[in-house]
Amino acid sequence: GQQVMQIPQYQHVQEGEDFTTYCNSSTTLSNIQWYKQRPGGHPVFLIQLVKSGEVKKQKRLTFQFGEAKKNSSLHITATQTTDVGTYFCAGKGSSNTGKLIFGQGTTLQVKP
Amino acid sequence: DGGITQSPKYLFRKEGQNVTLSCEQNLNHDAMYWYRQDPGQGLRLIYYSQIVNDFQKGDIAEGYSVSREKKESFPLTVTSAQKNPTAFYLCASMSGTGNTGELFFGEGSRLTVL
Repeated sequence: GQQVMQIPQYQHVQEGEDFTTYCNSSTTLSNIQWYKQRPGGHPVFLIQLVKSGEVKKQKRLTFQFGEAKKNSSLHITATQTTDVGTYFCAGKGSSNTGKLIFGQGTTLQVKP
Repeated sequence: DGGITQSPKYLFRKEGQNVTLSCEQNLNHDAMYWYRQDPGQGLRLIYYSQIVNDFQKGDIAEGYSVSREKKESFPLTVTSAQKNPTAFYLCASMSGTGNTGELFFGEGSRLTVL
């Protein structure tokens, strides 16, 4: 079945450093979504990418969808302590099953 | 306020007891989902429902059951057949059509089996 792998599992950075998490799918995706879960909280939707090669930005966050629509990345420039949390990618396969498959998540710690 | 309401937030049960987790939404979304979250394993799909009176198994449905009698409600029962039920359970609904919408999550229910 469809699998979505996400790396790294954990990342510790100094405040001001950049951070990137990568997501790879075993199958071609129709779209990919990114979510953020703060410690003790629930996942909150950040963005959705649909087109091959798509790049979207939200302030210091840059999201990319690969040309083959099998991988994606989230890059945070100049991290802040408010960026702390776990970032999940979630991909939907090409068939109309209605299922989003989540990656394992990357937990980001930011040292002030 | 519109949103997803899960209850209870914390639940303790003895081994061998069935437990039902409540999930209610007033967002008028057709699709609803149950995920299980364990440390280091992300979110795994238990069951989902795209419309009232219909639901499908996710990747880890064994030991769980659901019903979808009303659009607003999608309760999850953790049965005694679930071998390792202690986990954080998240309910979500999806906006939009054609399965391209975003997921809105409840605050979760943390189940501990003693």
